[in-house]
Amino acid sequence: GAVVSQHPSWVICKSGTSVKIECRSLDFQATTMFWYRQFPKQSLMLMATSNEGSKATYEQGVEKDKFLINHASLTLSTLTVTSAHPEDSSFYICSARDSSDTEAFFGQGTRLTVV
Amino acid sequence: GQNIDQPTEMTATEGAIVQINCTYQTSGFNGLFWYQQHAGEAPTFLSYNVLDGLEEKGRFSSFLSRSKGYSYLLLKELQMKDSASYLCAATDSNYQLIWGAGTKLIIKP
Repeated sequence: GAVVSQHPSWVICKSGTSVKIECRSLDFQATTMFWYRQFPKQSLMLMATSNEGSKATYEQGVEKDKFLINHASLTLSTLTVTSAHPEDSSFYICSARDSSDTEAFFGQGTRLTVV
Repeated sequence: GQNIDQPTEMTATEGAIVQINCTYQTSGFNGLFWYQQHAGEAPTFLSYNVLDGLEEKGRFSSFLSRSKGYSYLLLKELQMKDSASYLCAATDSNYQLIWGAGTKLIIKP
């Protein structure tokens, strides 16, 4: 299957700082990328959907000024958690698909801990 | 509203067969996915069904009935490494993925 690389795998940051998470599709063009958040023992929660070259569509309740998403190319999307707080600590996962009727491939996930 | 239902947890014995059911209600329907997720890892793709019927892929098979809004994932010859959460996700008319909460499968020796 296609490969999606997410970096970093884990990060610890101080409260108030910003963290950037990268998601790259290595062998296909990701027209759409998704960002999810997952709390322990819970399902994936979609945060936003981004299409290359356009603004991300955020799900209800997700602060777009806090979770900045950039999808500048067909192979790269970034999620920046701004002014992180301990409650932002979570597992963040990206996924990408090259068209609407194919499966989504997931990155490895990023475990963020804000101290 | 849109909703996916699947059991929270199931237990099975190594070497046996287990069926994980999923029912969905979505605004339009464009296919159903099954993913496997081991603890602390991202989900990995298992299957995608668009048409009614059974699709077999090695030890794993997935079934879909569009008229009943129902799917199941069948795992045969269970191995300890199959212990994981299995996520059902349906795509709606906008091709958005609607996720179930996942079924935690526990395999016992």
